[in-house]
Amino acid sequence: ETGVTQTPRHLVMGMTNKKSLKCEQHLGHNAMYWYKQSAKKPLELMFVYNFKEQTENNSVPSRFSPECPNSSHLFLHLHTLQPEDSALYLCASSQVWVEKLFFGSGTQLSVL
Amino acid sequence: ELKVEQNPLFLSMQEGKNYTIYCNYSTTSDRLYWYRQDPGKSLESLFVLLSNGAVKQEGRLMASLDTKARLSTLHITAAVHDLSATYFCAVGKVKSSGDKLTFGTGTRLAVRP
Repeated sequence: ETGVTQTPRHLVMGMTNKKSLKCEQHLGHNAMYWYKQSAKKPLELMFVYNFKEQTENNSVPSRFSPECPNSSHLFLHLHTLQPEDSALYLCASSQVWVEKLFFGSGTQLSVL
Repeated sequence: ELKVEQNPLFLSMQEGKNYTIYCNYSTTSDRLYWYRQDPGKSLESLFVLLSNGAVKQEGRLMASLDTKARLSTLHITAAVHDLSATYFCAVGKVKSSGDKLTFGTGTRLAVRP
């Protein structure tokens, strides 16, 4: 148990659907992250939130919309996705200035 | 732009053998991480290396860092099947806005009997 919980574990959606990914951390951290892991590509940082404020948007298309209502919860709202958005989406948290990120188990997303 | 390269991308090795995974990065960094990922699972932190010459060991894995060469190595000693996984290095820049990690493509390790 890493202390970072993601739901759902698997998600299949059509290109016209709207869905949300949820992440919750129980570690008392103040920074949360969304990463995308595609086959044969490095993990890509998507968004960073620090104390609920978005501090990084790594040129992510607007069909991905993050929300961070508090330091423990992070959402990724999805709408009108493309098949190439199929990937493993990983949430992570950290205590800023401390050594390492703690990752959740991820949501395996398939866009049909 | 920071780039992180790992090699090899895939490694098949026999149990009991030794091998090294290499991680090169393009610009100066605050810290270097090694992570392990099992299929369908999350990333597990293995090592954090903070300074030139840093060496850390855990069981059959040893990581080292040469900041002048911008190179980190992950050495596997007497491999066992349980070490089969994908290993990622990541290079970090500590920022007040949150730690930003740039990951390598990963090295998929398969240890065979």
